[in-house]
Amino acid sequence: QQPVQSPQAVILREGEDAVINCSSSKALYSVHWYRQKHGEAPVFLMILLKGGEQKGHDKISASFNEKKQQSSLYLTASQLSYSGTYFCGTESSGGSNYKLTFGKGTLLTVNP
Amino acid sequence: NAGVTQTPKFQVLKTGQSMTLQCAQDMNHEYMSWYRQDPGMGLRLIHYSVGAGITDQGEVPNGYNVSRSTTEDFPLRLLSAAPSQTSVYFCASSYRTIGDEQFFGPGTRLTVL
Repeated sequence: QQPVQSPQAVILREGEDAVINCSSSKALYSVHWYRQKHGEAPVFLMILLKGGEQKGHDKISASFNEKKQQSSLYLTASQLSYSGTYFCGTESSGGSNYKLTFGKGTLLTVNP
Repeated sequence: NAGVTQTPKFQVLKTGQSMTLQCAQDMNHEYMSWYRQDPGMGLRLIHYSVGAGITDQGEVPNGYNVSRSTTEDFPLRLLSAAPSQTSVYFCASSYRTIGDEQFFGPGTRLTVL
């Protein structure tokens, strides 16, 4: 089952902040965040693991609430280069742990 | 390192034709997977593999076959193409089977007429 992302789309002016949310109905082992520019492949931003470990981009911050199965991606002082579609992907705890399931994405547009 | 490579970049098929999308990685990654991306649907997992000789189904496996005879290669076969399989296909790999960064290939844009 796909995680649910919100908002579906957001428009910012350069320098503004944004938060993108991701929630799942399943207990999670990890949450991944990727950014995709139009016509390109998704690019890794960050992984948040159960237990608190994080791996990824120095300039990107995110949180992972294990009890609520929710994650948020924080984009501060946005730049034009932040524009793109952001996907969260989730890996569930227990059972088959090998499936990374993505949400439908959040389209972020940063204008000058 | 070339990373994850996919061929072809573009393909047009007629309904009923078969073809194989190629995917290769040179990073000695255990985990490989295939996704399809359709407008408004995000990335949906088709099949995945946790190592040579081991494959399993994802969310949308119908109409697709995979095999993994080597660590490097993970081809995706369409046995009888249908218009509903028109999509962009991405192959991805990661070093471990869970909790690791996914490296995506550049994608194959497939149109089935």
